[in-house]
Amino acid sequence: SAVISQKPSRDICQRGTSLTIQCQVDSQVTMMFWYRQQPGQSLTLIATANQGSEATYESGFVIDKFPISRPNLTFSTLTVSNMSPEDSSIYLCSVAGQGEAFFGQGTRLTVV
Amino acid sequence: GEDVEQSLFLSVREGDSSVINCTYTDSSSTYLYWYKQEPGAGLQLLTYIFSNMDMKQDQRLTVLLNKKDKHLSLRIADTQTGDSAIYFCAVRRSQGNLIFGKGTKLSVKP
Repeated sequence: SAVISQKPSRDICQRGTSLTIQCQVDSQVTMMFWYRQQPGQSLTLIATANQGSEATYESGFVIDKFPISRPNLTFSTLTVSNMSPEDSSIYLCSVAGQGEAFFGQGTRLTVV
Repeated sequence: GEDVEQSLFLSVREGDSSVINCTYTDSSSTYLYWYKQEPGAGLQLLTYIFSNMDMKQDQRLTVLLNKKDKHLSLRIADTQTGDSAIYFCAVRRSQGNLIFGKGTKLSVKP
């Protein structure tokens, strides 16, 4: 199994600013995933973060808005840039094991 | 594209069994999952099943998989008020990420 530490757990940010979310895993993993859960909605994949290469973004998500870093096999960051109230969501990182799929506790972001 | 569908609401009486259903479109999904999310909380992995299995039982939870019909269900026996939550069905893509359903809100009445 894998333990994922994600921080911050929550934040309230001013529109136009940026927030960087950190995700630390207690074991080395090849792929890490970033999801967004908008209020009352399900989870949507933002991007896949691979170590040593550019992240792969899903349709509707762009690097300028959600830059991702993956400096090593246990750590990744997601930045939410130039925030607007529409970015208010829970952001979660995830790793997939042999069968299980693990999630961090999420970052609850409110943009005012 | 891939899709996962589940009913949005389910209401049961305490002590009854709950059955939450899910259908999916991607026949190449290797693993299928059930997650529980309580208000204001993160995702809790309840159970998962490998695609070559028909059934998996874990205490009060029973997962049934009909691969031919692409249908997954979660049965909760002796449902308790603490089981009230949103339950997400998810399937794993070959790329490793999960596709989620919209979630079923389970309400348990005393």
